[in-house]
Amino acid sequence: AQSVTQLDSQVPVFEEAPVELRCNYSSSVSVYLFWYVQYPNQGLQLLLKYLSGSTLVKGINGFEAEFNKSQTSFHLRKPSVHISDTAEYFCAVSGGGSNYKLTFGKGTLLTVNP
Amino acid sequence: DADVTQTPRNRITKTGKRIMLECSQTKGHDRMYWYRQDPGLGLRLIYYSFDVKDINKGEISDGYSVSRQAQAKFSLSLESAIPNQTALYFCATSETGTSMTDTQYFGPGTRLTVL
Repeated sequence: AQSVTQLDSQVPVFEEAPVELRCNYSSSVSVYLFWYVQYPNQGLQLLLKYLSGSTLVKGINGFEAEFNKSQTSFHLRKPSVHISDTAEYFCAVSGGGSNYKLTFGKGTLLTVNP
Repeated sequence: DADVTQTPRNRITKTGKRIMLECSQTKGHDRMYWYRQDPGLGLRLIYYSFDVKDINKGEISDGYSVSRQAQAKFSLSLESAIPNQTALYFCATSETGTSMTDTQYFGPGTRLTVL
């Protein structure tokens, strides 16, 4: 079985401040990790994903995430946020097997204030 | 034009009514999915389909059924809607490939309210 825990349900920050959204996972097999973003009244879109190789993954809009196997974490970071980054962010894991199953965390609402 | 479309975008219905939510895609993907999103619970998989003849239950399929009419169309039905099916429903697609690494592409969602 696989699961995802997003440690913060809401993260308020000021514009131009750095932000880290935390994600921990559990899986009994190799993992593939994803971060999706949902802007208000829209569907989800992929920010970045970790499949293998370098543990630091860069995504769209200046976001990056680091895969840490020993801590079973995949935290999302941005050095300087903008008002337009206000959205809900979902961490997700796929753990392999013959059938694809993507398990999502409960989401973190990032609110960027002026 | 959007690659993944969902109709209707909003629907209010009454307990016991039959409801169909439709999803169409122009991405040419073989795989399609239905999720529901509830506040504080994230997204949960209802059904998924790897091709027209392949339908699989997700983690919360009870009370739902699906139909894959064509590669591009995947419908979700609630045979007898109940209030706890009030949620935001998303359709998604992905390419055929290494299944665990596929990116999923989401539609804009259907907000369903069951009174």
